[in-house]
Amino acid sequence: GAVVSQHPSRVICKSGTSVKIECRSLDFQATTMFWYRQFPKQSLMLMATSNEGSKATYEQGVEKDKFLINHASLTLSTLTVTSAHPEDSSFYICSARVAGAHNEQFFGPGTRLTVL
Amino acid sequence: QKEVEQDPGPLSVPEGAIVSLNCTYSNSAFQYFMWYRQYSRKGPELLMYTYSSGNKEDGRFTAQVDKSSKYISLFIRDSQPSDSATYLCAMSSAYSGAGSYQLTFGKGTKLSVIP
Repeated sequence: GAVVSQHPSRVICKSGTSVKIECRSLDFQATTMFWYRQFPKQSLMLMATSNEGSKATYEQGVEKDKFLINHASLTLSTLTVTSAHPEDSSFYICSARVAGAHNEQFFGPGTRLTVL
Repeated sequence: QKEVEQDPGPLSVPEGAIVSLNCTYSNSAFQYFMWYRQYSRKGPELLMYTYSSGNKEDGRFTAQVDKSSKYISLFIRDSQPSDSATYLCAMSSAYSGAGSYQLTFGKGTKLSVIP
């Protein structure tokens, strides 16, 4: 099956710093990537949809200046949490849709962010 | 009413039992239906993918979609302790546009298979 990687898997940072999370599709091209966050015992909450070469579309309530998304190539999307605060601590997961295929999305293993 | 309803459980079954998981939905535009398995602190893993109504079988897993009732199911036969995880249903519509290909998830059902 299609493989999606995320880096780092875990990050701890101080309040006020910025953190970049990478999402890569390893064996396929992904025209669309999605970023989710998940709180403990909750389902996935879509933050934004990212299409290669264009600006991301953010869901209502998600601050685009705080969560910067870049999708510069068909295999890489990045999420930067700027000026992180403790309330940004969460599990961030990306997914990628296989270009030209159906609506299957393949998820990365997630990144656990802890802001002190 | 939420777009996708899924009983969060928890659901505990003995090893070897048949497990039945299900979701209901309200948006008749949904045409793609998926089941994901998520282990603790891991990303979701795609288990089953179906388009429109019908059944699909893959090993011990069977997915059913009944669009007339807006009801989908996942059956796990001969359940194993390794099946213990949270199972998420997800669905999307087929239209193109700003919201295309976005998945709407259920809350997930936590399953424990007891040896």
